[in-house]
Amino acid sequence: GAVVSQHPSRVICKSGTSVKIECRSLDFQATTMFWYRQFPKQSLMLMATSNEGSKATYEQGVEKDKFLINHASLTLSTLTVTSAHPEDSSFYICSARENGLPNEKLFFGSGTQLSVL
Amino acid sequence: DAKTTQPNSMESNEEEPVHLPCNHSTISGTDYIHWYRQLPSQGPEYVIHGLTSNVNNRMASLAIAEDRKSSTLILHRATLRDAAVYYCILSEGRDDKIIFGKGTRLHILP
Repeated sequence: GAVVSQHPSRVICKSGTSVKIECRSLDFQATTMFWYRQFPKQSLMLMATSNEGSKATYEQGVEKDKFLINHASLTLSTLTVTSAHPEDSSFYICSARENGLPNEKLFFGSGTQLSVL
Repeated sequence: DAKTTQPNSMESNEEEPVHLPCNHSTISGTDYIHWYRQLPSQGPEYVIHGLTSNVNNRMASLAIAEDRKSSTLILHRATLRDAAVYYCILSEGRDDKIIFGKGTRLHILP
C-alpha cells in the first residue's frame, strides 16, 4: 500500500536553532500534504495545508514565518521550525492523499518528536 | 467543519467484538465518514470510510445510520494490538482537510 515517509523520527536541538522535517510520498504523487502537531495526551492539531508549487495555507493561530513549509515536488514537502524554542517541542506529523482520488483516505507519516532544549 | 462526538474511552475484552459509536448530527450530504486510529507514539492509520452504505474491509466494518447522523465502527474480534485512540472524522472533497476531534481511547483487556 501507499507509504508516507517522514524524517527524522526524533530530533533534539538547542533553543534558537532551526529544524527541518521531511515528508515524502514513496509510491504516489500528492499535490496536497497536511502538517499536524500533537502535544502529549492531546489530539492532532492541523497546522497547515501544503500545496505543490504554491504557498501553503496556514490554520488560524499558526505563525507562517515560524513554521516554513516548502512543497517543491509532487512527492516531497518540508516543514522548517525556525528559531525553535522549548514551547515548540511537540510531535509533528505529516499526511498525504493520493492525487486524483477524491474523498480517499489519508496516509500518515510516522511522526517526528521534536525536543528543544 | 462538521463536528463529531465520541465517548472519551471504552474498554473491551480480548477476542470479543467492539462497537465504537460516533455522532455527527450536523453532517451534510457530501460529507464522507472516515475512521482513523493512532497507536502510541505513531502517526494515525486509516481504518475505513464510507458515505451512505455500510462498508467492510479486512480491518473493520462501518455501520452508518439511515439518516447518517451517527455511525459505528465495528472491530469483529479485538486483539491487544487494537488498543489505540480511534478518531471519527467527517471529510468532504479531494483536498478537504481532516480535522481531528478528541477520539475514543480503546483499552483491550487480556
